[in-house]
Amino acid sequence: GEDVEQSLFLSVREGDSSVINCTYTDSSSTYLYWYKQEPGAGLQLLTYIFSNMDMKQDQRLTVLLNKKDKHLSLRIADTQTGDSAIYFCAESILNSGGYQKVTFGTGTKLQVIP
Amino acid sequence: DTAVSQTPKYLVTQMGNDKSIKCEQNLGHDTMYWYKQDSKKFLKIMFSYNNKELIINETVPNRFSPKSPDKAHLNLHINSLELGDSAVYFCASSQDLLLGPSKTQYFGPGTRLLVL
Repeated sequence: GEDVEQSLFLSVREGDSSVINCTYTDSSSTYLYWYKQEPGAGLQLLTYIFSNMDMKQDQRLTVLLNKKDKHLSLRIADTQTGDSAIYFCAESILNSGGYQKVTFGTGTKLQVIP
Repeated sequence: DTAVSQTPKYLVTQMGNDKSIKCEQNLGHDTMYWYKQDSKKFLKIMFSYNNKELIINETVPNRFSPKSPDKAHLNLHINSLELGDSAVYFCASSQDLLLGPSKTQYFGPGTRLLVL
């Protein structure tokens, strides 16, 4: 089945690193994503990782994937106040109909304290 | 130019009314989606259309009827609105059904629906 869980809230001080965690249940996912939702806006893709990778770095963002534990994390280095938002992890699974279905996590609200 | 646009941005209406939300994408994508985000920010897919054909219908009540007049548009019509329909509705599009690094979903800004 598809279930993607995240902790609801994270608070960090400006300049510190943030780590947002996500667990998923379906091991057949092909891609895993991190999206950012700022207040009153839609979702914006931040980064993604292919399911056969362990790690991906993209400027201040580091994605770690532990397939055995079905655990995905997003680390934001030198967190800024502009990083305050809700972060969603998502997995896409190629289903029997030949298309990718994306299941979103519950979202983690990141609060950055100046 | 906005890639995925939705109208209206806000919609306040009474229970029992019928309303529509429109979505347009100018990216030349083949696939469009409707998602519902509830007050706890849970985001669930409702429908997916590919080349104007319905692909995904995730056990959404049949009061919700999507309509795709062409590949660039996917509208959502809701009959007999209920209090529980209050949510933010997001439209999205992707190049096609096979998502990947260069073929991700692009989201609209959302329509905030409040049913009184």
